[in-house]
Amino acid sequence: DAMVIQNPRYQVTQFGKPVTLSCSQTLNHNVMYWYQQKSSQAPKLLFHYYDKDFNNEADTPDNFQSRRPNTSFCFLDIRSPGLGDAAMYLCATSNQPSPDRAGETQYFGPGTRLLVL
Amino acid sequence: GEDVEQSLFLSVREGDSSVINCTYTDSSSTYLYWYKQEPGAGLQLLTYIFSNMDMKQDQRLTVLLNKKDKHLSLRIADTQTGDSAIYFCAEKDNQGGKLIFGQGTELSVKP
Repeated sequence: DAMVIQNPRYQVTQFGKPVTLSCSQTLNHNVMYWYQQKSSQAPKLLFHYYDKDFNNEADTPDNFQSRRPNTSFCFLDIRSPGLGDAAMYLCATSNQPSPDRAGETQYFGPGTRLLVL
Repeated sequence: GEDVEQSLFLSVREGDSSVINCTYTDSSSTYLYWYKQEPGAGLQLLTYIFSNMDMKQDQRLTVLLNKKDKHLSLRIADTQTGDSAIYFCAEKDNQGGKLIFGQGTELSVKP
């Protein structure tokens, strides 16, 4: 089945120790998104890739970076995790015909829950 | 700016209908979505409605859209305990496709 896969499902890291979360998709969608969702809150978009073009949200901290080596994979790097970065991180994908037009439905992965000790 | 609002909690008895409400501000939104999130899981797309429609039915789910009042609702008929989850309403930014989520409504279904 075509899907969005996130690994690992749970990640524990230490304060200040870099961590990478991964997302892969078999949907062949051209857009991939990373959201942060803190407890009892709505998901908040961090950034997205339109093909290889990176689009950062204005209020995303510099501590968060992303890489997309190919269509199928996208990584979220947290350079120096703080206690406030503990959250669920959700990856999503969609098809979008052009950067300035709304794309199709976003499909989400199961999420990676990050714990910072 | 864009904003989506939902009530935080809803409690119903098994077999009753549930109605989850949502209001949004961006009148240019093309699509509006309902996602379901079970504890510890990602977001599951339940249904969506295009902005030129006022109703969409899909099995036990009915979506009503009042574009004039910018009000969206999700009705779940014959609610089951497995429907207990958080339900997020989202509108799609007309440029770029960014999703703006409400804060989620926690639906509790009591046997």
